[in-house]
Formats: sequence, structure tokens, C-alpha cells
Amino acid sequence: DIVMTQSPDFLAVSLGERATINCKSSQSILYSSNNKNYLAWYQQKPGQPPKLLFYWASTRESGVPDRFSGSGSGTDFTLTISSLQAEDVAVYYCQQYYSTVTFGPGTKVDIK
Amino acid sequence: QITLKESGPTLVKPTQTLTLTCTFSGFSLSTSGVGVGWIRQPPGKALEWLTLIYWNDEKRYSPSLKSRLTITKDTSKNQVVLTMTNMDSVDTATYYCAHRVGARGSGWYSDSFDIWGQGTVVTVSS
Repeated sequence: DIVMTQSPDFLAVSLGERATINCKSSQSILYSSNNKNYLAWYQQKPGQPPKLLFYWASTRESGVPDRFSGSGSGTDFTLTISSLQAEDVAVYYCQQYYSTVTFGPGTKVDIK
Repeated sequence: QITLKESGPTLVKPTQTLTLTCTFSGFSLSTSGVGVGWIRQPPGKALEWLTLIYWNDEKRYSPSLKSRLTITKDTSKNQVVLTMTNMDSVDTATYYCAHRVGARGSGWYSDSFDIWGQGTVVTVSS
């Protein structure tokens, strides 16, 4: 099984500041045949289902603000919110789909 | 517009079998590339993927739960059914079904999930 880890567990950032969330897979999730990283990012607000932000590590889902960006390759990935807004308070999960599916433990983002 | 909705019992007893139904609209599970997954979330905890079924009836299961899970589809009814045997208190969670992103014209299939149901809460208690 591919194990996903995230850091930090909790992140408090001032409004307008940058938030950076890290995700690491226990083995590479880069498929050499297509040079794609089999990673997705989700945002989940209280009482709501998760919302897809990125797939293929950096392909932004339609409607996702461009202050959100996804990057990384192989085993190390990053979700960045360039200028945190109040509506970005949520838990963020990474998910690999290289070998079945596993989610990371989540990172809670709040306002400082 | 794609929508999914989960239905089933809100309370099950330990050792019982849980059966949940995902009823969807806006797509067909007979269309190439389409898939529906189940994901659960215990209260205050992280998401846990359970299973996925594809248009061609291929199925994938979480290795840790494989022995307890069965997923089936009824294309004519636009439904996917999840059964989980031998329920325990640790299975108390919100259960979601979700639409798989698929290929979106790229030729490469993503098992990420773009549209989710609102979830159904299942409590396991005697």
C-alpha cells in the first residue's frame, strides 16, 4: 500500500499571507509512461463533502481560484495558497491514485 | 449536471451487514471511462477510500477492507450499491459516493473524484 503523509497537521496563517501544505508518498507516484503524477488535492469545509482542487498534481479543477496552486513530483508534493482568504479555512487532503487509492491524514488551515 | 445521493440505514447493529445505495444522474455507468467510488469519514477523522467500480464492471477495493466489501452497479437504475459485512463501532462514519474524474479527453484516467454526494451518516451501535 502507498502511505500518504501530510505536514503540518495544523496551519494558522494571517489573512493575505501564504499557506503551504506538504504531502509525501511512501513511494513514487510518477508514472514514467505518461510523466504524470497520480495525485489529487481536496478542500473540505465543515459539514460539507470534499471539493476537488487539483488532479495530476497540478491540473486545476474548473472554478478553483488561481491563488491555489499544486506542485511537486515523484514523492513530494505541495499545495500553496498564495494569499489566504477567510473562505479558505478548511481541511486539505492529498490523495494518490497510482496504486488503488489512499488519502493523506489532512491538514487543517485556519486564520491566525 | 452530475449529482449523486447516498441512501441507506442510519443505524446498524454490530455484526450486521450494511447496504448503501448511491443513486446518480447526469452520467451513465455504461459510458467508457466512467467510475463511481465510495469513501468514508469517521467523525472528526480523515477520509478513507473504500472501493471503486468502473464502466466495464472492473472493481477495486481497499486492501485492508477487501474481505468485507462488495460493490455492484445497476446501469439501468443509475445506481451503485455498497455492502459491508460484519459491521463494528469503528465503522461509524459518514459514507460518501463520488464520481470519478476519468480521462477528460486526455487519454489518461484519473481516479480522483470531482463530484461527491452529501454523504450519509451510519452509526454502528447495539
